[in-house]
Amino acid sequence: QKEVEQNSGPLSVPEGAIASLNCTYSDRGSQSFFWYRQYSGKSPELIMSIYSNGDKEDGRFTAQLNKASQYVSLLIRDSQPSDSATYLCAVKEAAGNKLTFGGGTRVLVKP
Amino acid sequence: SQTIHQWPATLVQPVGSPLSLECTVEGTSNPNLYWYRQAAGRGLQLLFYSVGIGQISSEVPQNLSASRPQDRQFILSSKKLLLSDSGFYLCAWSKKGNQPQHFGDGTRLSIL
Repeated sequence: QKEVEQNSGPLSVPEGAIASLNCTYSDRGSQSFFWYRQYSGKSPELIMSIYSNGDKEDGRFTAQLNKASQYVSLLIRDSQPSDSATYLCAVKEAAGNKLTFGGGTRVLVKP
Repeated sequence: SQTIHQWPATLVQPVGSPLSLECTVEGTSNPNLYWYRQAAGRGLQLLFYSVGIGQISSEVPQNLSASRPQDRQFILSSKKLLLSDSGFYLCAWSKKGNQPQHFGDGTRLSIL
């Protein structure tokens, strides 16, 4: 059974600070990793994709991947109240068409 | 650009009634299509996925079924709804290969 683990939170950060979210996965052959943001009552929205070891930056978001440690993280710089949401880590299975989602980390950004 | 449409946005159905939820994708061809359910405060549960017309893979045995009658159309059905079928139903699509999935706006289903 492929697993993706995330701390459920809530992760409370002050406005302007960095939010750091972590995710571990069990499928060692996985090559594609995604972060989604889900506001309460809404559908998940893709915010980052990462395929290679190292860092990938997009605006205030940085995804970090370490395949050897089976670990992917998301940093949110200069956190804003509008970043308050649940962040879902998703890992594509090595052979197949499915994503395995973590349970999500709830982030609360306090003004 | 690609868009995905799901309807209806909300639905209230009595126990034992049938269900049909429809999802269509525009702006791409031969997508992979997915149906998920999310119970309140819970994670995403994959119900069905399809890599082509008429091809359906079921992930969870239950009283739901899915069909893909056209390349960009995915339908979720039930003959008799149960109370446990309540939830937020999400359709998603992806291109072939190591591509992310993109979600529709979802249907919130309440069973009375």
